[in-house]
Formats: sequence, C-alpha cells, structure tokens
Amino acid sequence: QKEVEQNSGPLSVPEGAIASLNCTYSDRGSQSFFWYRQYSGKSPELIMFIYSNGDKEDGRFTAQLNKASQYVSLLIRDSQPSDSATYLCAVSPGYTGTASKLTFGTGTRLQVTL
Amino acid sequence: EAQVTQNPRYLITVTGKKLTVTCSQNMNHEYMSWYRQDPGLGLRQIYYSMNVEVTDKGDVPEGYKVSRKEKRNFPLILESPSPNQTSLYFCASRGGRLSYNEQFFGPGTRLTVL
Repeated sequence: QKEVEQNSGPLSVPEGAIASLNCTYSDRGSQSFFWYRQYSGKSPELIMFIYSNGDKEDGRFTAQLNKASQYVSLLIRDSQPSDSATYLCAVSPGYTGTASKLTFGTGTRLQVTL
Repeated sequence: EAQVTQNPRYLITVTGKKLTVTCSQNMNHEYMSWYRQDPGLGLRQIYYSMNVEVTDKGDVPEGYKVSRKEKRNFPLILESPSPNQTSLYFCASRGGRLSYNEQFFGPGTRLTVL
C-alpha cells in the first residue's frame, strides 16, 4: 500500500479556472505536509507547507489539511499556462523542527489549457 | 546566490565500479537529503542528515552510503553500483529547525549503470 497517494492525471483545467489537487496519506501520525511543483526536466521546488488543520493561503495557492480524513489538497486559483507542471505531495512524521524524513506521492500532472 | 550544486550532472558507468556524487550547499543549512526519482515511483528518499555526523536512512537506503563531515557537503556513495540504481538523483537542503520555507533542490544527476 502506497503511503502517499495522488492521482497521476493529467488534470486538465482551462486558463482562469481553479485547479484542485488532492493527496491522501496512510500514516495517521504524519504531522507536516508539503506541496512541490516540478516542471518537466527540472528540480522540484517548494510551493507550500502546512501542519495545522484548515486552510493556508499564499497568493493564488491554498493548501487544505484534514488530519481526521488523512488528506491534504492544493487549490490553484486563476490557473495560468505557466502552472502546467507535476505537483508532488510530501508527508513527514515530524513536527516543525524535527521533520527530515519525507515521503512523496508520485505526483499529479496539471495541464492548464488556453 | 543561494544554491545546491551536484556533480556530475550526467554519469554513465558500469556495474560494480564505485562512484561518488557530490552535493554542496552554500546556505549553511542544517538538513540535507538525497532522493532518487523513477518513473511511476516518484521521489524516494535515500538518506537524510540533520547535521554534521548525523545521518539516517530514508525509504530506499540499500546500496548507498552517505557521509556528513562538513555542514556544506553531503556526498552520495555507490560502492558497487548495479543497473537497478539507474535513476535521476536529487540532493536537497533545508534551513534550520524552523525554516520550512527554505528548501532547495539541486539540479539533479542522471546516472546510468550498464
């Protein structure tokens, strides 16, 4: 059983729409959650992290965490073609300051169409 | 410029020939990690280090060694590479205990073991 699961996609959304990316995890003790973006042929880059239940907003991005249901999601508002990439969800067992072990999902490929 | 560097970027080698992939960061980060990325399997953590002389296994440590003798360097050693270690390897670093948003990946090393 995969520890962190993501739909591989591709998820296709029109420009200007909201893209919703989901991630579920199996370890109920997980404490820290991360979203990375990876363009084709490039390194992953951190978009957001969250460790409290609820929403966390940063510009056009909103991370949502529900520990009881063991899922974390990423919403991208006003999607742009430049948002087309693979989005990786990662989960860590540690609280802030101790989390170094990271388990990644296989990523969801997002395509924003004109 | 803040960066994580890896060398070499590309390497083709033969089974059993020991090799080292170097990783260096110039941000005085405490945490460093190695990952491999394979199609369909996503990013998997090999080893991580929380500080000098402190390392721990990730999810796929078999066949790899690491050392952290200096804060800036975290080399990955393959003592006897095998074809199943053909992969894209990323080194990453993160800031201190409360610096979740300071995470950087290196450019990647594409390794082929014949």
